[in-house]
Amino acid sequence: EIVLTQSPGTLSLSPGERATLSCRASQSVTSSYLAWYQQKPGQAPRLLIYDASSRATGIPDRFSGSGSGTDFTLTISRLEPEDFAVYYCQQYGSSPRTFGQGTKVEIK
Amino acid sequence: EVQLLESGGGLVQPGGSLRLSCAASGFPFSSYGMTWVRQSPERGLEWVSGFGASGSTFYAASVKGRFTIWRDNSKNTLYLQMNSLRAEDTAVYYCTRWSGYGDIWGQGTMVTVSS
Repeated sequence: EIVLTQSPGTLSLSPGERATLSCRASQSVTSSYLAWYQQKPGQAPRLLIYDASSRATGIPDRFSGSGSGTDFTLTISRLEPEDFAVYYCQQYGSSPRTFGQGTKVEIK
Repeated sequence: EVQLLESGGGLVQPGGSLRLSCAASGFPFSSYGMTWVRQSPERGLEWVSGFGASGSTFYAASVKGRFTIWRDNSKNTLYLQMNSLRAEDTAVYYCTRWSGYGDIWGQGTMVTVSS
């Protein structure tokens, strides 16, 4: 089973700042089959990025994903008030599909 | 509008059973893989069970032999029968449209296993 470790656990930033979130896999993720989700309190996760760098439908271009192998990054270029939330990565290159533990982006 | 709506959650005693349902609308249900994902404070997000593109079924090791997934394409509905429930099955259960990742999620249904 691939273990995904996200860092940092919490990121304290101000609106307008850049956010860089990391997701490290315990083994190489096949074909960069990695997704990122955003989750706000009381809501279901929302897909942001799939295939490591492809934005899902309707996702603003301030969200971008990069990486391959074992190291992946989600970047939010300029934080908007609605971006403060918890972010999860998930791999689908091997079974079972696994999720990271999440990074909380909070207002500084 | 593309939508998934779960139902069937609730409070059940250890060893008991529950059946979850997920009603889909706004897309050709039979053409998509579907999956159940659960979330708890203790275990985070956890893939539980799903249908592959070929219609084959998959289960997490933690639920294999206790949970059964099936779908009724004529009713656009996904199901999860959960038997021999344990305290560690307590979670919010989400139904997702699945292509390896979940691009559409329901609002979730809470399952609590407690005496």
